[in-house]
Amino acid sequence: GQQVMQIPQYQHVQEGEDFTTYCNSSTTLSNIQWYKQRPGGHPVFLIQLVKSGEVKKQKRLTFQFGEAKKNSSLHITATQTTDVGTYFCAGSRTGNQFYFGTGTSLTVIP
Amino acid sequence: DTAVSQTPKYLVTQMGNDKSIKCEQNLGHDTMYWYKQDSKKFLKIMFSYNNKELIINETVPNRFSPKSPDKAHLNLHINSLELGDSAVYFCASSQGWTGGATSGYTFGSGTRLTVV
Repeated sequence: GQQVMQIPQYQHVQEGEDFTTYCNSSTTLSNIQWYKQRPGGHPVFLIQLVKSGEVKKQKRLTFQFGEAKKNSSLHITATQTTDVGTYFCAGSRTGNQFYFGTGTSLTVIP
Repeated sequence: DTAVSQTPKYLVTQMGNDKSIKCEQNLGHDTMYWYKQDSKKFLKIMFSYNNKELIINETVPNRFSPKSPDKAHLNLHINSLELGDSAVYFCASSQGWTGGATSGYTFGSGTRLTVV
């Protein structure tokens, strides 16, 4: 399967600080999705990006798809304890099968 | 109502045993998947079925056999369990083979398998 890497693997932030996770693919992607998995939970779909350079926002979360469609980022502004969890990107070359990234585990210290 | 439900939630068993995990979705989706999440949280696709037809079969030992009696159900049977099979197994569904590209995958709550 294709390789989708995420950095960092772990991130600890103080509540109120910002957080960013980066997703990098070895190949050009047609679509990229983001998921959140709470501790002990299951992945939950957040958003999909399709266009080169696309930026989407969901409240404090900003998602970006790179111009070359090989990378993506998720930025959280002013983290809250409810943001704790592992964030996964999932990329597809063809628009059907998606391969999950390695995930970034976020800990928010109150 | 639970959209994608898996049973059992926890499964502890001895090496060499055979076990099954069941999955059902009530979303009307026609594509279902099995994912394995290891201790490092890496999510790996194992199988995918579209309208009861196997469309993805990643490199998985043939001790693992999926079965889809209808498009709302996808079960996973594992023979001769090994220690390395310990993981969380997630069932997921999407609308259509390319449906994952529109509204993403809907995951079940997972089955934590521990082989001792």
